[in-house]
Amino acid sequence: KNEVEQSPQNLTAQEGEFITINCSYSVGISALHWLQQHPGGGIVSLFMLSSGKKKHGRLIATINIQEKHSSLHITASHPRDSAVYICAALSYGGATNKLIFGTGTLLAVQP
Amino acid sequence: DTEVTQTPKHLVMGMTNKKSLKCEQHMGHRAMYWYKQKAKKPPELMFVYSYEKLSINESVPSRFSPECPNSSLLNLHLHALQPEDSALYLCASSRFPRGQEQYFGPGTRLTVT
Repeated sequence: KNEVEQSPQNLTAQEGEFITINCSYSVGISALHWLQQHPGGGIVSLFMLSSGKKKHGRLIATINIQEKHSSLHITASHPRDSAVYICAALSYGGATNKLIFGTGTLLAVQP
Repeated sequence: DTEVTQTPKHLVMGMTNKKSLKCEQHMGHRAMYWYKQKAKKPPELMFVYSYEKLSINESVPSRFSPECPNSSLLNLHLHALQPEDSALYLCASSRFPRGQEQYFGPGTRLTVT
């Protein structure tokens, strides 16, 4: 079992739909990253959060530390949101924190 | 300036070649990272530099040799690579080595022939 699990693995949505991607982790973390990667492209950090909720434009990320669960929501989805979304847990402890990556969610938003 | 830059964007090299990948950031970050990413897989950590010193080597083969000449620059020297080393190589940086958001570069797409 991976230390960081994401669901769903693949998601197809119609433009305008509300999208939720889930992330569960089994390790102690200091924070959680949500990352976006377009096909063939580099990685963009969307959020880093350690508690509560963050919002940036149409993107909202929440985390529940007690339940070891985080969600990424996209409101009013658009085809340009099509990408792989990766959650990555920032491991706790040690001199250098490592990112433990989930396997990613491939999102396709159709016009 | 909140950008991590990487050069080149694409690199094709033979198994006997020596080449280098370059990563640069001017955000004053003191931790820098090399990741390797195969298609449809998440990134895998290779090396971490903390305050210009190598702090983590994830048992990477010696044909990959990292170098951090100064706090803004990170190199990855490549020698005698194998075709299975073909991948996207990503650089990242964070303000400090602990508990900090990592900023990723666009990556270098490496093909070993």
